[in-house]
Amino acid sequence: DQQVKQNSPSLSVQEGRISILNCDYTNSMFDYFLWYKKYPAEGPTFLISISSIKDKNEDGRFTVFLNKSAKHLSLHIVPSQPGDSAVYFCAASARETSYDKVIFGPGTSLSVIP
Amino acid sequence: DGGITQSPKYLFRKEGQNVTLSCEQNLNHDAMYWYRQDPGQGLRLIYYSQIVNDFQKGDIAEGYSVSREKKESFPLTVTSAQKNPTAFYLCASMGRGTGANVLTFGAGSRLTVL
Repeated sequence: DQQVKQNSPSLSVQEGRISILNCDYTNSMFDYFLWYKKYPAEGPTFLISISSIKDKNEDGRFTVFLNKSAKHLSLHIVPSQPGDSAVYFCAASARETSYDKVIFGPGTSLSVIP
Repeated sequence: DGGITQSPKYLFRKEGQNVTLSCEQNLNHDAMYWYRQDPGQGLRLIYYSQIVNDFQKGDIAEGYSVSREKKESFPLTVTSAQKNPTAFYLCASMGRGTGANVLTFGAGSRLTVL
């Protein structure tokens, strides 16, 4: 039973347009959400995060929106660039005992077309 | 430069053989994690360790073993009991007190069972 869902396995966007990647979660105990970017044969790299006490966090071209009531978050990339083509993982975190358990979604493969 | 080093990058194993994947970090992080990536399934947690000489099972620990004799090192052994070991394995670490729940990943090790 997936606690973090990314229902779009892939997404194609024209260069310069907005990319919107969606993520849904089921566990209301999650209190921190993160997006990671991954290129083939490499480890994921941290992109942006948001705490459950906020509804928006912005970092340059990347903005993450959180809707707690809907248990939904989205990552907006604008303008999209060809170098943004990668797999994007949504992750959620909850404090269990004394460690941080991070659960990842299945990923969305983004292709930005020049 | 601080980071996580995984070796080997590619590994081939015959059925019935155990194999050990190395993970070393020089970030002075307390917590270390092993994830497995399969197509369409995101990253699944195998084992994690918060401190030296202590580790806990993740969601898919069967057929795997770990040790944490040094803060810097967290090797993963894939045993012959693991029914489907072919996958991309990722080691990660997290620093205490960062408040950000951000995992730093290595470049990964791809294991193929022949």
